[in-house]
Amino acid sequence: KQEVTQIPAALSVPEGENLVLNCSFTDSAIYNLQWFRQDPGKGLTSLLLIQSSQREQTSGRLNASLDKSSGRSTLYIAASQPGDSATYLCAVRPDWNQGGKLIFGQGTELSVKP
Amino acid sequence: EAGVTQFPSHSVIEKGQTVTLRCDPISGHDNLYWYRRVMGKEIKFLLHFVKESKQDESGMPNNRFLAERTGGTYSTLKVQPAELEDSGVYFCASSQVYVSQETQYFGPGTRLLVL
Repeated sequence: KQEVTQIPAALSVPEGENLVLNCSFTDSAIYNLQWFRQDPGKGLTSLLLIQSSQREQTSGRLNASLDKSSGRSTLYIAASQPGDSATYLCAVRPDWNQGGKLIFGQGTELSVKP
Repeated sequence: EAGVTQFPSHSVIEKGQTVTLRCDPISGHDNLYWYRRVMGKEIKFLLHFVKESKQDESGMPNNRFLAERTGGTYSTLKVQPAELEDSGVYFCASSQVYVSQETQYFGPGTRLLVL
């Protein structure tokens, strides 16, 4: 059974710092992995999607890496800003033949202080 | 382009009552998913529609939950009778079928509180 774990559960950093959020999963047989952002009271916004054959994806100040064999992904945020404060969620999509459902971690709540 | 919408945004009901949640996916999205997050836990998958057909309902907790998607457009999720442990946030997501990098677009969620 696939399980997704995110560490740390919460993180507070001063503005301008670079930071890394971690995600691990127990079954390496995944189709892809996504990082989402959730603001309080809002839905989830997809940030980056990494296919199982890829090693990393970049979008602006965000960089996500994937090491499928070790069951790990990291989300790197450069030069953090107060507007980055949100909950960040990692989700894996199991193999193609298991449909499109996503399996989520519990999230990391990020607070960036001005 | 309108995003995924959900109604109501909040619902407070008493144990034993019935509640129906609605999700309107992005136009043209044949995939529709229901997820929920109960307090202190991770978001969990409930079920997946492709058009009006249930593709995967392995996450539905019990037979008090009934999901429908008549005509392959909007979907409803009915909880009858509601129990205390059903409290949480119910999310709906939609995506296009047969896209290699399928991204699911999430709605804002319905916050359900069962007293």
